[in-house]
Amino acid sequence: DSGVTQTPKHLITATGQRVTLRCSPRSGDLSVYWYQQSLDQGLQFLIQYYNGEERAKGNILERFSAQQFPDLHSELNLSSLELGDSALYFCASSVGSRPYEKLFFGSGTQLSVL
Amino acid sequence: AQTVTQSQPEMSVQEAETVTLSCTYDTSESDYYLFWYKQPPSRQMILVIRQEAYKQQNATENRFSVNFQKAAKSFSLKISDSQLGDAAMYFCAHYNNNNDMRFGAGTRLTVKP
Repeated sequence: DSGVTQTPKHLITATGQRVTLRCSPRSGDLSVYWYQQSLDQGLQFLIQYYNGEERAKGNILERFSAQQFPDLHSELNLSSLELGDSALYFCASSVGSRPYEKLFFGSGTQLSVL
Repeated sequence: AQTVTQSQPEMSVQEAETVTLSCTYDTSESDYYLFWYKQPPSRQMILVIRQEAYKQQNATENRFSVNFQKAAKSFSLKISDSQLGDAAMYFCAHYNNNNDMRFGAGTRLTVKP
């Protein structure tokens, strides 16, 4: 067990809908990273938060947004969902602000858009 | 833009034997980090080994070792004495100081008893 908790594990929704994925980092970790894993795009970095502030941005769509709360948990909001958004969404955490440290990954949220 | 290439979609190895997974990357940076992550059927990504580009010595973690060839931009993973629990998807990843971690497409490793 990595200590990173993601909920829900599975999510099935329809096109056009909005969903929220939740991540609780390991105790003491200040950084949260979001990744998307799909068959066609592979594993892609979306966004990173460090101690409540956005630290880095990757290939995150404008329809997606994220935030990190004072208790350091993070939420990834996906809106106007399309079929192509179906993927496994990972959250990872680290102590510091750089992903060259050891990243601890959650088990992911499997999103299916029908 | 940096890219990471894993040319072997699938590999198989006999239990107790040795297998090498290949990875090449493209970068214009001189200071960066390379990683191998393992994704078992449980889906959770687990760090296997990490290499800092400025260190010439190849990283080793128990049965896992790398062959880091900086000039060739090659970073292969060697698994010795393969065990059934090593069966997983293995991802090579590259990180530079632009906070951009790139992953390869992965290699699925099967371990035969």
